[in-house]
Amino acid sequence: SQQGEEDPQALSIQEGENATMNCSYKTSINNLQWYRQNSGRGLVHLILIRSNEREKHSGRLRVTLDTSKKSSSLLITASRAADTASYFCAASGNTPLVFGKGTRLSVIA
Amino acid sequence: DAGVIQSPRHEVTEMGQEVTLRCKPISGHDYLFWYRQTMMRGLELLIYFNNNVPIDDSGMPEDRFSAKMPNASFSTLKIQPSEPRDSAVYFCASQTGLGEQYFGPGTRLTVT
Repeated sequence: SQQGEEDPQALSIQEGENATMNCSYKTSINNLQWYRQNSGRGLVHLILIRSNEREKHSGRLRVTLDTSKKSSSLLITASRAADTASYFCAASGNTPLVFGKGTRLSVIA
Repeated sequence: DAGVIQSPRHEVTEMGQEVTLRCKPISGHDYLFWYRQTMMRGLELLIYFNNNVPIDDSGMPEDRFSAKMPNASFSTLKIQPSEPRDSAVYFCASQTGLGEQYFGPGTRLTVT
């Protein structure tokens, strides 16, 4: 199965700053997905990038994918206190998603 | 659609008791997943079904855990007997094809 591994494990920034999280995976994929989890809640899908795409935007989110390096990054611009959450990536091949341990983002107002 | 529905939302039970967690996936989704999340181990995939058939149960920790999906709209995860180390948040998620997964709100299980 595919697995995403996020880096860093934890990130603390000031409100208004940009937050960048990285993800690495091991084998070929169809797509890579990013999810967000607020404390005590289920994961919520943020964005999906297909293997033939290099960059995708959604609001303040920007995702890049480098299949040659088997890596992806999630950039949150102009962060807000409400962005405080854990962020997970998961690579999708022909088997279900497997989630890494996530990056815990704290945005300080 | 109401999304993935899980019940109960909270469960407190004593060691040795049977616990049954329930999940109703999103209509039309052909995959259903059960996860367990703890601070120590993170999010673990326990088992998943495709078209009601269990495909991979290698994540089920031991024989005390069992899962069923009798039809496309219902699944259960049973722990018998329960132990304190089973305390965790259990999530159900559903998916169609290779698309995104939709998670339920989770069941917080406490075994005393």
